[in-house]
Amino acid sequence: DSGVTQTPKHLITATGQRVTLRCSPRSGDLSVYWYQQSLDQGLQFLIQYYNGEERAKGNILERFSAQQFPDLHSELNLSSLELGDSALYFCASSLRGRDEKLFFGSGTQLSVL
Amino acid sequence: SQELEQSPQSLIVQEGKNLTINCTSSKTLYGLYWYKQKYGEGLIFLMMLQKGGEEKSHEKITAKLDEKKQQSSLHITASQPSHAGIYLCGAEASNTDKLIFGTGTRLQVFP
Repeated sequence: DSGVTQTPKHLITATGQRVTLRCSPRSGDLSVYWYQQSLDQGLQFLIQYYNGEERAKGNILERFSAQQFPDLHSELNLSSLELGDSALYFCASSLRGRDEKLFFGSGTQLSVL
Repeated sequence: SQELEQSPQSLIVQEGKNLTINCTSSKTLYGLYWYKQKYGEGLIFLMMLQKGGEEKSHEKITAKLDEKKQQSSLHITASQPSHAGIYLCGAEASNTDKLIFGTGTRLQVFP
């Protein structure tokens, strides 16, 4: 158990809909990362937060947004969903957000039908 | 942008055999991470290498970092079915805080 909790584990929705994925980092960790994993794109970095502030941004679509709350949990919002958004979404956390290993959650499997 | 290329993409070996997975960066590596992922699960940290020429071992897994070649290798000795999974290398993209990952190597070990 990594200590990182992601909910829900599975999500099935239709095109055009909006969903929210939630992540609780490991106790004491200040930084949260979001990744998208699909068969054709591999593991893609989306965005990183550190203590509530955005630190780094990757290939995150404009339809996607994220935030980290004062209690350090994070949410990834996906809107106007398309079939191609179907993927495994991972959250990871670390203490400082730099030069250290990440602890990954077990992921949210999103299926857009 | 920096990219990490892994080879081979997939590997099927017989139990007991040795194997090597390579990770090549398109830019200078300032540090490299190896993770393992079981199918459909989260990534588990294996090792972190930070200095050129550094080599680390854990149980039957050894990783090396060669900064001159912008490469790292992961070697498994006497593979076991428990080694099966997807191995990913990761690195902080130069001049950013983005932790990017390689394309992954899918390992299968059969008895």
